[in-house]
Amino acid sequence: QITLKESGPTLVKPTQTLTLTCTFSGFSLSSSGVGVGWIRQPPGKALEWLALIYWDDDKRYSPSLKSRLTITKDTSKNQVVLTMTNMDPVDTATYYCASHVVAVDYWGQGTLVTVSS
Amino acid sequence: DIQMTQSPSSLSASVGDRVTITCRASQTISNYLNWYQQKPGKAPKLLISLTSSLQNGAPSRFSGSGSGTEFTLTIGSLQPEDFATYYCQQSHRTPWTFGQGTKVDLK
Repeated sequence: QITLKESGPTLVKPTQTLTLTCTFSGFSLSSSGVGVGWIRQPPGKALEWLALIYWDDDKRYSPSLKSRLTITKDTSKNQVVLTMTNMDPVDTATYYCASHVVAVDYWGQGTLVTVSS
Repeated sequence: DIQMTQSPSSLSASVGDRVTITCRASQTISNYLNWYQQKPGKAPKLLISLTSSLQNGAPSRFSGSGSGTEFTLTIGSLQPEDFATYYCQQSHRTPWTFGQGTKVDLK
């Protein structure tokens, strides 16, 4: 059974750095073709794809956010970490981590991050 | 980025209706088109991958078709549990972009 779960702060202040951790089970991020990534959804709005890291450490980012994002993995811990710098109230959203193979196959439950002073 | 445009943005339908949602890509994406269903307060769920491959557990009333730049999701006979928001997404090239969503509600 494949599961993913996001963890991190629920509230951050403007200009701070957000660090989210995705802990997954049921698959290996060392298997060829497998990736884990992040997607967010502001309240009442559409999904926005953010970043993806593949089994071979290839990293892909949304061009509009690339300067603010870093994605890393710890295969031994089955974890993927996303950092986003210089947070702003417009970054308030539910952040999902998800496995990526041919599609966004399995999703975590999501974590709501609010950016407010 | 490849832009994905869904139509309509919302629709009202009755139980038993046949429903079709269209998704257009700004450039060719071969068959790398996926559909997701999202219910309020829940994470999206993969419904159909690679244009027409129904995921395990998804009802057979859902089907997908298309190629290149134009794709459709069809719900053969709408059921009460199908009222949700549907998103298309391309996985041809990163960034893996989503459509803006189509909300299906009760007429």
